Amino acid sequence: DIQMTQSPSSLSASVGDRVTITCRASQRISTYLNWYQQKPGKAPKLLIYAASSLQSGVPSRFSGSGSGTDFTLTISSLQPEDFAAYYCQQSYSSPRTFGQGTKVEI
Amino acid sequence: EVQLVESGGGLIRPGGSLRLSCAASGFTVSSTYMSWVRQAPGKGLDWVSVIYSGGSTYYADSVKGRFTISRDNSKNTLYLQMNSLRAEDTAVYYCARHEQPNGYDAFDIWGQGTMVTVSS
Repeated sequence: DIQMTQSPSSLSASVGDRVTITCRASQRISTYLNWYQQKPGKAPKLLIYAASSLQSGVPSRFSGSGSGTDFTLTISSLQPEDFAAYYCQQSYSSPRTFGQGTKVEI
Repeated sequence: EVQLVESGGGLIRPGGSLRLSCAASGFTVSSTYMSWVRQAPGKGLDWVSVIYSGGSTYYADSVKGRFTISRDNSKNTLYLQMNSLRAEDTAVYYCARHEQPNGYDAFDIWGQGTMVTVSS
């Protein structure tokens, strides 16, 4: 199975900050990488697919980059509604695997 | 509106069985891939099982032989039959639709989740 490792596990930030979360795959996965946002008590929401494609309806302050084994999710200017957990997930092979998550806190 | 609504969770004793349902609206479950993903309390996301549009099914090693994914096309509903439940199966269970744009694959629609608690 492909292992996905995110860093950091948590971070503290303020409204307006630029935030970067990284995700590393245990083997090369091209750009088969997705990012999800999850708020407490809610289902995950797809933000980015194929490493850098913005899902419809997602604000443009979210962006993704990377290929191979190293990927990044960037929030250009953190908004109050962005405080949540973020997960990366590989879709290169089965079983689909997720990173352990990054909690963005105030 | 495209929507998934899960039901069937609850408190069950170790060794017991439970069937989860996921009713879809706004699309046809048999025309796409559908998965179950679970999340133990305070933990991350863990893929459980998938059923392909053609009917093939696959499972995580942790549930293989105990869980069965299926669908009822007439009811447009996805199911997860869970047998021989263990304490470590305690989690919120989500059903999720696969979207496959340009050869990629992502979970684009999720249900609200249903809680399964395995405890004596």
